[in-house]
Amino acid sequence: EAGVVQSPRYKIIEKKQPVAFWCNPISGHNTLYWYLQNLGQGPELLIRYENEEAVDDSQLPKDRFSAERLKGVDSTLKIQPAELGDSAVYLCASSPRDSPYNEQFFGPGTRLTVL
Amino acid sequence: AQSVAQPEDQVNVAEGNPLTVKCTYSVSGNPYLFWYVQYPNRGLQFLLKYITGDNLVKGSYGFEAEFNKSQTSFHLKKPSALVSDSALYFCAVRDSGGYQKVTFGIGTKLQVIP
Repeated sequence: EAGVVQSPRYKIIEKKQPVAFWCNPISGHNTLYWYLQNLGQGPELLIRYENEEAVDDSQLPKDRFSAERLKGVDSTLKIQPAELGDSAVYLCASSPRDSPYNEQFFGPGTRLTVL
Repeated sequence: AQSVAQPEDQVNVAEGNPLTVKCTYSVSGNPYLFWYVQYPNRGLQFLLKYITGDNLVKGSYGFEAEFNKSQTSFHLKKPSALVSDSALYFCAVRDSGGYQKVTFGIGTKLQVIP
């Protein structure tokens, strides 16, 4: 079984440029999460999808961040425009459904560097 | 609000010795507790979880964790450390009452010395 796929693995951009990250969850997983991981910190939830619906986006900075999961499968997270403080690792995770006792399956992450 | 504390930034242990990585938590209801491991340039990988039942939970790669409700702790343990266990370990908690997102600790770096 293929794991969670993310691309690109690394991205370097100038500040004020746009950037997009892509995630393909494990087949059959209805729940998809995007996390932000700063250096020396644990992951922090940005947004959670149940199928194509964003059911928790309270932590997403909506002035510059957006996300979509149009067909309830793969997802894209976008930043426009990027700021220096956005440099971090962006993790995607999935689970069969969002249950408190289900573990999450993580992708390798995209490391973003904003210059 | 729920929270997780991992009091040690780094734990050093000699290969073959037992290891413990500490975690304490705070939730309003009953806790669901998880341990994940992160190797360099990799995503988090699930190790084990406590939902209910036996306080000693066994997981992948010989790891186990002990749930202690009175001390609100969920320490990760392994009887004999391997050099390949060197990685970053994250404790996570989720409140069973109502919807709460998972809260992760800041991570503990485990260094196993040959």
